[in-house]
This record gives sequence, C-alpha cells and structure tokens, in this order.
Amino acid sequence: AQSVTQLGSHVSVSEGALVLLRCNYSSSVPPYLFWYVQYPNQGLQLLLKYTSAATLVKGINGFEAEFKKSETSFHLTKPSAHMSDAAEYFCAVSDRATGTASKLTFGTGTRLQVTL
Amino acid sequence: NAGVTQTPKFRILKIGQSMTLQCTQDMNHNYMYWYRQDPGMGLKLIYYSVGAGITDKGEVPNGYNVSRSTTEDFPLRLELAAPSQTSVYFCASSYYSPGQPSHEQYFGPGTRLTVT
Repeated sequence: AQSVTQLGSHVSVSEGALVLLRCNYSSSVPPYLFWYVQYPNQGLQLLLKYTSAATLVKGINGFEAEFKKSETSFHLTKPSAHMSDAAEYFCAVSDRATGTASKLTFGTGTRLQVTL
Repeated sequence: NAGVTQTPKFRILKIGQSMTLQCTQDMNHNYMYWYRQDPGMGLKLIYYSVGAGITDKGEVPNGYNVSRSTTEDFPLRLELAAPSQTSVYFCASSYYSPGQPSHEQYFGPGTRLTVT
C-alpha cells in the first residue's frame, strides 16, 4: 500500500522568502509523485509531477521538487514567495505496481500563507 | 474547451433525501474519478471508471453509487443522505495510454454538499 505524509498543515512565509513544503511517501515500488495546488473554492491544479525521467522536476509558477529515493521525499520549493502563492498544496503518489497507475493517494495538505 | 464541469456548485439536503451530482468532461478522457474532500483529510477516492460501462470502488464507496454510460459523463448518486456525507465532492478525469502511464488528473471546481 502507498501513503503520503505532509509535514506541517500550515506554513507561513514572508513575501520574497523561500517556500519549502515537505512530502514523504511510502511505496513498495518506484512511485509516480505529484504536487497539486488548490486555490480557495476551486478544484485542484497540477503543479508538477515526477515520473523518473529526472529527479529535479520543474513545474508551473516557479515551483520545483526534488525526488530523493534515499529519503523517500519529494519536497516542493520556490525560491521567492509571492502573495498569489497562498493556497493549499497537496502531495500525491501513484503506485506503478497497479496495472494502470491510475489511482492517486493524497496527503492531507499544507496551507501556505504568504505575509507582507 | 470547458474541461471538467460539475453541477450543482452547492446543495443542502435533508437526511434521507437523495440526489445526483453531475460531472461532464469534454477532453475525451477515458478515466474518470469521484473524490470527497474533508477538512484536514485530503482527498479520498469514492469511485472511479476506466471507460464507459466500467466502474470500480475506491477507498470510501459506502453510501454512493455511480454509472458511466458515456465517455463524457460520470454522475455520482447519493441514495439516502446522511450527515457524514457532508463534504466537498470533486470529479476528475485523465487520459491513460500504455505509453503514458503517469497520466495526471484534471479536476472540476467541486460541489459543496451539506446534509442536515
């Protein structure tokens, strides 16, 4: 069975500061990993995904994440936070062992607050 | 291209009532999913479908039913509403092919349901 743990349900940063949102996964086989963002009263939007092509993955809006197998981590970072980054962020894992790798297991989410 | 659309946006039900949440996608995706989102719990998969006429249970299927008669539509039925079904419901779709197993899911804007 696969699982995802997001450390910190709430993270607050100042505008211009580094954003670091943590995600650790558990999977019996090499996983596919995703980060989604949810703005207030909206659905989820894909930020980036890891599919084993490269361990450092770049996404939209300046976000990137690094897959570290030894640490079973896939932390999300952005060098400089902007007010528009305030949202809830979800890490998700898909198990390649399933026939079609179609089902995602989500973490509980991290709400990012950006202050002036 | 509307993507994934859901209706209604909001609904209040009395205990024991029934309703259908509608979901339509215009991207010709073969896979569709229903999730529920509860505060601090992330998203939980209710049901999913890998094509017209084929559905399967997810992690939390009790109290719900689905059907998939067309590629575009994937309605979710609540037969006897209970307060535990108060949640935000998201429909999602994705396109799977053997050459692209790590397909991402596209989400609708959600339906906020309250059962009192």
